[in-house]
Amino acid sequence: DAKTTQPTSMDCAEGRAANLPCNHSTISGNEYVYWYRQIHSQGPQYIIHGLKNNETNEMASLIITEDRKSSTLILPHATLRDTAVYYCIVDRAGNNRKLIWGLGTSLAVNP
Amino acid sequence: DGGITQSPKYLFRKEGQNVTLSCEQNLNHDAMYWYRQDPGQGLRLIYYSQIVNDFQKGDIAEGYSVSREKKESFPLTVTSAQKNPTAFYLCASSGPASGSRETQYFGPGTRLLVL
Repeated sequence: DAKTTQPTSMDCAEGRAANLPCNHSTISGNEYVYWYRQIHSQGPQYIIHGLKNNETNEMASLIITEDRKSSTLILPHATLRDTAVYYCIVDRAGNNRKLIWGLGTSLAVNP
Repeated sequence: DGGITQSPKYLFRKEGQNVTLSCEQNLNHDAMYWYRQDPGQGLRLIYYSQIVNDFQKGDIAEGYSVSREKKESFPLTVTSAQKNPTAFYLCASSGPASGSRETQYFGPGTRLLVL
């Protein structure tokens, strides 16, 4: 399974865009990129996923580079409630049980 | 409201005691999972079940047991064989989402402490 690399921590000002990078240089052609977040002492929450194309939903946007070796999660207007640990995970289609969770990026949104 | 419930929120275990953590979902998902999370760490898979009456070991199954008698329920027993059970335990389920991709939905977690 492909491994991901994320910065340990990031800061963002409230109301500004938060751009969280993820490196997955060993990703295979059939592996999706997933993003989850975990607010302190709660269960993780699904944010978004993608294969090749950029994706957008009500929570965030996912930008995947053309070579698929890295991606960026964008929270367009960060709020204090977006303070959490963000996990970038890659996984093969239909193999959801084998998600490998790294340490993620701890995002602090500051007033 | 649809979702996953875990109980209790906090659980205390004495030495040599077996304890069972409850996980229930009303999302009509076929697959369910148990994870363990230690402070400052990512999630590690204990057991998973893709269908009723069937389950498989994850990466750290030793000292744990599960059952899947009903689609809605996937209880986890932490046995006395688990020598370091203090952790945050998370239950999840998954089913078809938009674009036919499965995503995992998590419960609020149970924090297990050893007395």
